Amino acid sequence: EVILTQSPGTLSLSPGERATLSCRASQSVSSNYLAWYQQKPGQAPRLLIYGASSRATGIPDRFSGSGSGTDFTLTISRLEPEDFAVYFCHQYGSSPLFNFGPGTKVDIK
Amino acid sequence: EVQLMQSEAEVKKPGESLKISCKGSGYDFNKYRIAWVRQMPGKGLEWMGIIHAGDYDTTYSPSFQGQVTMSADKSSSVAYLNWRSLKASDTAKYYCARLIIMAGYAYMDVWGKGTTVTVSS
Repeated sequence: EVILTQSPGTLSLSPGERATLSCRASQSVSSNYLAWYQQKPGQAPRLLIYGASSRATGIPDRFSGSGSGTDFTLTISRLEPEDFAVYFCHQYGSSPLFNFGPGTKVDIK
Repeated sequence: EVQLMQSEAEVKKPGESLKISCKGSGYDFNKYRIAWVRQMPGKGLEWMGIIHAGDYDTTYSPSFQGQVTMSADKSSSVAYLNWRSLKASDTAKYYCARLIIMAGYAYMDVWGKGTTVTVSS
């Protein structure tokens, strides 16, 4: 069974800083099936990145994804006030068919 | 515009039944899968299951198999999530999302706003 672990649990940063979020899988997953979502309080999740590195429609280019195998990274190059949120990674295809990481909260320092 | 419209919040008693809905618009509903995702208060996202809106093929998460039933009505572009007997531990927000599996990729690109279910005696 693939388990996704995200680190850190909470990232405290200031606007303008760079955020680096990690998603680690307990065994190799297809990068095509690795996605990242952003969730703000009281809102539904929003797709940011699919295929590990492809930005979804309308997502600013300050968001980027990278990685393969068991290690994946979401980078926000310069944090804007609206980027303070919780970020989840998600994989499809490996057993279990579908699962999410526990999330990383990016909050204002 | 592609949208998923979810039914309103529900307050139920333990043991009651419930069916919540997710109506798709702005796209060919029959050609895509709908995923259901649970979020308990203050917690992360949990996958419940997937239903193909065209052929009604379902895959349940082992954690939710037997606890809920997914269905759909392609004639009205609606997917449903059903409980026969609610428990207090079913209190959560439930999201539906359009699951894209194509061109070698898989991701959920459109999400409903969620339906809050509160189960309390």
